[in-house]
Amino acid sequence: EAGVTQFPSHSVIEKGQTVTLRCDPISGHDNLYWYRRVMGKEIKFLLHFVKESKQDESGMPNNRFLAERTGGTYSTLKVQPAELEDSGVYFCASSQDKVRGETQYFGPGTRLLVL
Amino acid sequence: GNSVTQMEGPVTLSEEAFLTINCTYTATGYPSLFWYVQYPGEGLQLLLKATKADDKGSNKGFEATYRKETTSFHLEKGSVQVSDSAVYFCALSDPSGAGSYQLTFGKGTKLSVIP
Repeated sequence: EAGVTQFPSHSVIEKGQTVTLRCDPISGHDNLYWYRRVMGKEIKFLLHFVKESKQDESGMPNNRFLAERTGGTYSTLKVQPAELEDSGVYFCASSQDKVRGETQYFGPGTRLLVL
Repeated sequence: GNSVTQMEGPVTLSEEAFLTINCTYTATGYPSLFWYVQYPGEGLQLLLKATKADDKGSNKGFEATYRKETTSFHLEKGSVQVSDSAVYFCALSDPSGAGSYQLTFGKGTKLSVIP
């Protein structure tokens, strides 16, 4: 069974440009999460999809970030326009059920550097 | 709100030494607790978890016990190996509120084991 995949693995862009990150969850997993780790800080939650619906987007930093999950399969996270403080590692995770103690399976992350 | 505090590294140990990484938490509800590990160049993997008080999670020689009275989930291993060199993250999931099972992470502890 394939794990969670993310694309690209690395992205270097200039301030003001747009970047789109993609996450493919494990097949059959209804729950998809986005997290971000800014250098030297904790991994922080961004948002949670259940199928194609946003369950919780309380962690999204501002309206420059837009996440979608059309059809309830893969998800994209767009940053437009990118700022320097958006640099970090963006992780995606998926889980099958929304139950207590459910394991989230993480992708390898996308390293974003905004210059 | 929820928070996780874990000892900051880096931690350097000799092979076969005893390992303890302290983790304490604050939660509004009754959380599930996790240890994730990130090996060099890879994504986060679940190492172990516990969903209720006094539960002990264990995997690959690592153990952690859910202590509600001290709000702790310390990670231990009796004899570390070079292959255990990685970054270890303590995390909790507390669905009270938005109903999302988002993870709240500690800052991570980098462990280096030398031969």
